[in-house]
Amino acid sequence: EAEVAQSPRYKITEKSQAVAFWCDPISGHATLYWYRQILGQGPELLVQFQDESVVDDSQLPKDRFSAERLKGVDSTLKIQPAELGDSAMYLCASSSWTVADTQYFGPGTRLTVL
Amino acid sequence: EDQVTQSPEALRLQEGESSSLNCSYTVSGLRGLFWYRQDPGKGPEFLFTLYSAGEEKEKERLKATLTKKESFLHITAPKPEDSATYLCAVQARGQFYFGTGTSLTVIP
Repeated sequence: EAEVAQSPRYKITEKSQAVAFWCDPISGHATLYWYRQILGQGPELLVQFQDESVVDDSQLPKDRFSAERLKGVDSTLKIQPAELGDSAMYLCASSSWTVADTQYFGPGTRLTVL
Repeated sequence: EDQVTQSPEALRLQEGESSSLNCSYTVSGLRGLFWYRQDPGKGPEFLFTLYSAGEEKEKERLKATLTKKESFLHITAPKPEDSATYLCAVQARGQFYFGTGTSLTVIP
């Protein structure tokens, strides 16, 4: 069964350092999403890609966060510099219009900023 | 304001004690409503997509239903392995809105 891959699964960093997360969506899924989830809350959309283009990044803190999907397949989310408040689970999801926009999530990256 | 509200926030059931989780929404132009299961430290696992009022879907001990204002996730004779957080999300006008989830604990 096809799955969304994410790495690393866990990341511990010190504040002011740079971190990067990688996501490989399900093959053939044109839409890719990055979410942030704080413990006890629902996922919050950071950025949405359609192929290599950004569709929605209105909630992305652009002073420190960046995301790219250069070839329209895998994607990288970067934080520089990391702050204590960035500690959260970062989730990647992908979807295809052929399954009516149902999003399939990866296992997530748990980020801890010290 | 577009909003998704899930209730209760937490639910404890005895094994075999059936119950329902609620997801109410205030969005216009609903395109789909999604249910996910999330285990601690893991990504959400897709359960169901519902598209129109009156639709129902089942999977093992779970049954999801949809009305014009809310959705219910019915759990019949739950087992301890059903313990998880259940998330609801709605899609409307190209946007996705997630609820904060219901944390379900099934006691043996």
